[in-house]
Amino acid sequence: TQLLEQSPQFLSIQEGENLTVYCNSSSVFSSLQWYRQEPGEGPVLLVTVVTGGEVKKLKRLTFQFGDARKDSSLHITAAQPGDTGLYLCAGFDYKLSFGAGTTVTVRA
Amino acid sequence: EAQVTQNPRYLITVTGKKLTVTCSQNMNHEYMSWYRQDPGLGLRQIYYSMNVEVTDKGDVPEGYKVSRKEKRNFPLILESPSPNQTSLYFCASSLGQGRGPLHFGNGTRLTVT
Repeated sequence: TQLLEQSPQFLSIQEGENLTVYCNSSSVFSSLQWYRQEPGEGPVLLVTVVTGGEVKKLKRLTFQFGDARKDSSLHITAAQPGDTGLYLCAGFDYKLSFGAGTTVTVRA
Repeated sequence: EAQVTQNPRYLITVTGKKLTVTCSQNMNHEYMSWYRQDPGLGLRQIYYSMNVEVTDKGDVPEGYKVSRKEKRNFPLILESPSPNQTSLYFCASSLGQGRGPLHFGNGTRLTVT
């Protein structure tokens, strides 16, 4: 059983559409990270959120940490083919635990 | 350039033949870790190291060994590989556990037949 559940598992959208990826847990985390992994490469950190209710924006990407620090979401506005990849959330309590990931495909 | 280097990138071996996957980082990080990535299961931690000569088991340590004799190197050893160890392996490092981002290598795809 995954400590962090990500949904959906797969997401395929057309360029220009918006998408949201969810990361949920029954555990409370002191911080939560989002990574993006492209084929043939290791994950790369996108953002770290540490405060309940925190919202961080990175260009077209918006990250939100739930008020109770148990869940998070990643919203991409006007997705582009370059956003294609595996998105992983990772929560830190006394160690870092990863979700299984959401594979996002943005079609041109 | 700050990086984590794993070798080899691809490895095909047979059951029972000992192998080592090397990992080196040039960022003077104290914390290093090994993960395996399997479809639908995400990244699972195998072993980690808080500093030189300090290593501990992660979530799936069975069948693996590690050592941390130098700060920059953290090799993963499979003494007697089995087919269920066929996976994509990642080494990662950071300033400390929970401190700063994890920097990942580009992965080693291992196939055990």
